[in-house]
Amino acid sequence: DAKTTQPPSMDCAEGRAANLPCNHSTISGNEYVYWYRQIHSQGPQYIIHGLKNNETNEMASLIITEDRKSSTLILPHATLRDTAVYYCIAFGNEKLTFGTGTRLTIIP
Amino acid sequence: DAGITQSPRHKVTETGTPVTLRCHQTENHRYMYWYRQDPGHGLRLIHYSYGVKDTDKGEVSDGYSVSRSKTEDFLLTLESATSSQTSVYFCAIRSDRGDTMYNSPLHFGNGTRLTVT
Repeated sequence: DAKTTQPPSMDCAEGRAANLPCNHSTISGNEYVYWYRQIHSQGPQYIIHGLKNNETNEMASLIITEDRKSSTLILPHATLRDTAVYYCIAFGNEKLTFGTGTRLTIIP
Repeated sequence: DAGITQSPRHKVTETGTPVTLRCHQTENHRYMYWYRQDPGHGLRLIHYSYGVKDTDKGEVSDGYSVSRSKTEDFLLTLESATSSQTSVYFCAIRSDRGDTMYNSPLHFGNGTRLTVT
């Protein structure tokens, strides 16, 4: 899997959109971009994934640049329950690798 | 969560004893995974399975073995537990129903916290 780079931490005001960036400049053509989050010590929770088109579901939106070298996860209206560690992963073989992610803190 | 049950949820054991962790799924998914999570290391893949009796190593497989005799169960065994294996262990499952192989997400269980004293 391609290596991904994320900022270690971010803050966002409650009710605002949280935009989490991820760089994956070495991503290959068959690798999907996945986003997970982990709240406290619970198991990672799947959020969204995409290959090259932008994607949206009930939790978030995923914006992938045209060259696929970076992406942004958007939580449209952040709540306190969105405080978590967010992982961006380029997934193209069975050895799915999680980095250390971005710790997102939602500020009341 | 996603039909995955990990047991036990917590275990304390002594160095040198064998330990088996169980992951049970009700989804009939083909792929199953074992990860460990430690501070500063994120999640690291130990072993995975792509079918009954079909398993392969991940990045931190030393000291661990796995078995999958039924679709629904994936067992992780520490033959002789060491203090370095104190960790939180997560099981994950993935279907192969996506249109391409990696177009389906992993879903994780709630973890087993193992302490080796």
